[in-house]
Amino acid sequence: AQSVTQPDIHITVSEGASLELRCNYSYGATPYLFWYVQSPGQGLQLLLKYFSGDTLVQGIKGFEAEFKRSQSSFNLRKPSVHWSDAAEYFCAVGPLTQGGSEKLVFGKGTKLTVNP
Amino acid sequence: DTEVTQTPKHLVMGMTNKKSLKCEQHMGHRAMYWYKQKAKKPPELMFVYSYEKLSINESVPSRFSPECPNSSLLNLHLHALQPEDSALYLCASSQGPTDRGTQYFGPGTRLTVL
Repeated sequence: AQSVTQPDIHITVSEGASLELRCNYSYGATPYLFWYVQSPGQGLQLLLKYFSGDTLVQGIKGFEAEFKRSQSSFNLRKPSVHWSDAAEYFCAVGPLTQGGSEKLVFGKGTKLTVNP
Repeated sequence: DTEVTQTPKHLVMGMTNKKSLKCEQHMGHRAMYWYKQKAKKPPELMFVYSYEKLSINESVPSRFSPECPNSSLLNLHLHALQPEDSALYLCASSQGPTDRGTQYFGPGTRLTVL
């Protein structure tokens, strides 16, 4: 069955430090992979997505992610974290087709705290 | 433009009330989604509409009734809710296969059931 694992429930980093959030997936075919960010009480914002081609993808807000098929991973990185990056981060995999529509499977999320 | 709008932003209702949540997108997307999200949890899919027809119902209780009046608008009608239904309700839309199922989310409606 398709699934997404985000091993870290909570990560704390200092402002200016580098960041890596881990995501591992289980999917029977070529996956489409997504990272979303959610600030408290807000909706989810798409950071970046991977479909095919170059395994290093660039997103908004200075984030990037690398697809590693051999490790079934799609880790999110940022070289220098800003206080405004404090949020919940969700990794998702798709598509799962049901009833003629596509669904995404979400990981449980990683909460990022940024210390000044 | 990848904007999905939701109204109201906050809603407080009693268990005997009837209320509706509204979602709108003007991106020409063919699929629209309702999610429920409890605190510290990922979004949980409730319903999917594709080309204005209900295509997925994830065994949601009948006190939640979705409606898709046209390709841009999605409603969620609420009736006789329980306090455990208090959550953030998120709407999303997608172009479908042409964009690999990428979903764009609205800001959500924070629902409190008393």
